[in-house]
Amino acid sequence: DVKVTQSSRYLVKRTGEKVFLECVQDMDHENMFWYRQDPGLGLRLIYFSYDVKMKEKGDIPEGYSVSREKKERFSLILESASTNQTSMYLCASSHQTGLETQYFGPGTRLLVL
Amino acid sequence: QQQVKQSPQSLIVQKGGISIINCAYENTAFDYFPWYQQFPGKGPALLIAIRPDVSEKKEGRFTISFNKSAKQFSLHIMDSQPGDSATYFCAASGNNDMRFGAGTRLTVKP
Repeated sequence: DVKVTQSSRYLVKRTGEKVFLECVQDMDHENMFWYRQDPGLGLRLIYFSYDVKMKEKGDIPEGYSVSREKKERFSLILESASTNQTSMYLCASSHQTGLETQYFGPGTRLLVL
Repeated sequence: QQQVKQSPQSLIVQKGGISIINCAYENTAFDYFPWYQQFPGKGPALLIAIRPDVSEKKEGRFTISFNKSAKQFSLHIMDSQPGDSATYFCAASGNNDMRFGAGTRLTVKP
């Protein structure tokens, strides 16, 4: 059974803190993604990676950075958390042959105070 | 810019009724149209998908209808059940790009 896990289900941080969200997949997928999910806005792509140490900006990369040192792990970093980054963060992965079927983790609900 | 427009934002259906969710896309390079289902506290999961070489795909109670000329596709849930209550996202992908609709929260009342 395919599995994408995220390090935390709920997280509360203060403005200005550095925040790390981690995602691990056990499917040997090449592609990994970070989205944020907000009511009425659907899923918006923050960053994606198609290989180790490779990264591409998505639609809303400002205020975020990513790291992919190992194939199975993709980290999202909020360098200095702000209240407008309060959201649900979803990690996903897919096989190299396409962006077609993405497998999602359960999400991390982040609250920035 | 919203490349995939999804409606309605929320939908309430009686048990046994038909749920219909519509999506429209703009980019003609899109060639794969999946629907994802998300239950509370879970990540989205692939429900059903279609390619534009067919106009309809059915899997159990779930059917996708696809209109290439209108650049529209829709999800029909027949005999809707309370267990179908979830948020549904349409998506469109192609040319190394994938776009999601804003989501529809479906509630099926018993």
